[in-house]
Amino acid sequence: SQTIHQWPATLVQPVGSPLSLECTVEGTSNPNLYWYRQAAGRGLQLLFYSVGIGQISSEVPQNLSASRPQDRQFILSSKKLLLSDSGFYLCAWSGRLSTRYSGNTIYFGEGSWLTVV
Amino acid sequence: SQQGEEDPQALSIQEGENATMNCSYKTSINNLQWYRQNSGRGLVHLILIRSNEREKHSGRLRVTLDTSKKSSSLLITASRAADTASYFCATGLYTGTASKLTFGTGTRLQVTL
Repeated sequence: SQTIHQWPATLVQPVGSPLSLECTVEGTSNPNLYWYRQAAGRGLQLLFYSVGIGQISSEVPQNLSASRPQDRQFILSSKKLLLSDSGFYLCAWSGRLSTRYSGNTIYFGEGSWLTVV
Repeated sequence: SQQGEEDPQALSIQEGENATMNCSYKTSINNLQWYRQNSGRGLVHLILIRSNEREKHSGRLRVTLDTSKKSSSLLITASRAADTASYFCATGLYTGTASKLTFGTGTRLQVTL
């Protein structure tokens, strides 16, 4: 069965420090990978998605970047964190679509709580 | 933006009652999905309804989709305390390689004994 691992689960970082959140998926190959952010009490905002190694689509201009160095590895980074980067970050994966209407069920990791102080 | 908006934002019911949550969106979609999130946890997929479907059932869940009104509803029948969570609708749009999901702001459901 497929599993998704995301770490670290929580972290507190000072403003201006770098960030690296890592996500790996097991039990599947060539998945679509996603990074979402959830502000406190809010919905999810899609930050990045990737359909293959080295292929990153950015949805929102921001202080963050993403990389996919391996098929099942997705990394969210920042060179200098801002207070506004605080939030709950969720990595997710989905399989390939067979038709336009089949739809991707997205499977989420347990999330990473980031507090920038 | 095609972000969905759930209504109500919060809902409190007693165990055994039915819970209805609504979702509205703005643009064309290929599918609409409902997810559940327990406090501080990741999201769990509940049900997917395609744009050419009008109603779907899964256990105690019933989802309807009205594409002419750009709205969907999630009904949880015979609610239980364990149903307490936040529920999100997500609209799916096919990009050619992936179905991008855009999430709404969620409904917080509280089921009391």
